[in-house]
Amino acid sequence: EADIYQTPRYLVIGTGKKITLECSQTMGHDKMYWYQQDPGMELHLIHYSYGVNSTEKGDLSSESTVSRIRTEHFPLTLESARPSHTSQYLCASSRRDSTDTQYFGPGTRLTVL
Amino acid sequence: KNQVEQSPQSLIILEGKNCTLQCNYTVSPFSNLRWYKQDTGRGPVSLTIMTFSENTKSNGRYTATLDADTKQSSLHITASQLSDSASYICVVSDRGSTLGRLYFGRGTQLTVWP
Repeated sequence: EADIYQTPRYLVIGTGKKITLECSQTMGHDKMYWYQQDPGMELHLIHYSYGVNSTEKGDLSSESTVSRIRTEHFPLTLESARPSHTSQYLCASSRRDSTDTQYFGPGTRLTVL
Repeated sequence: KNQVEQSPQSLIILEGKNCTLQCNYTVSPFSNLRWYKQDTGRGPVSLTIMTFSENTKSNGRYTATLDADTKQSSLHITASQLSDSASYICVVSDRGSTLGRLYFGRGTQLTVWP
């Protein structure tokens, strides 16, 4: 069982609200990732980080932003939620080597009304 | 274009039966291939990982095969159990970048009935 945590697990919120999805890991991993997954579809990388103060956009364009102030913490923020943001958001982490297995958190199911 | 295709999209089997899931990929240059299991409402969990030189890898009742020449992989599940009901995702990594970019299939949704 991987030591990577996400909160909240479920979030229902109205349009226009600002939200922050939390992700933390206790494995000391340098690399962290955020994925978006819709039902029956593949995971899409939206953000990643190589380490503290490093953040990059992924393959799928996203209006969200991320920060990496501490190694163990990689929060994702939506300044103004919209119904199109409704999805499952998965956080993952891995060691420095690019071939290392990514360990996933349980995910946050976001619904924007 | 780097892609990962999985089949079947969904599969229903009876408890105790065996099944095989397929994965075809076009990712190049190839680094490794992983099979993940994703329970409903949970994050994916790694089952196996294979590099170019490996053609089979087992993890309990799960056996993965890799044919790097034809760019195909399969995941065989033996003596299925109800807890095997999940989505099985094939993930291929390239070695063309320091990120080790991952390409995800859409998964095969397996349902095991008693």
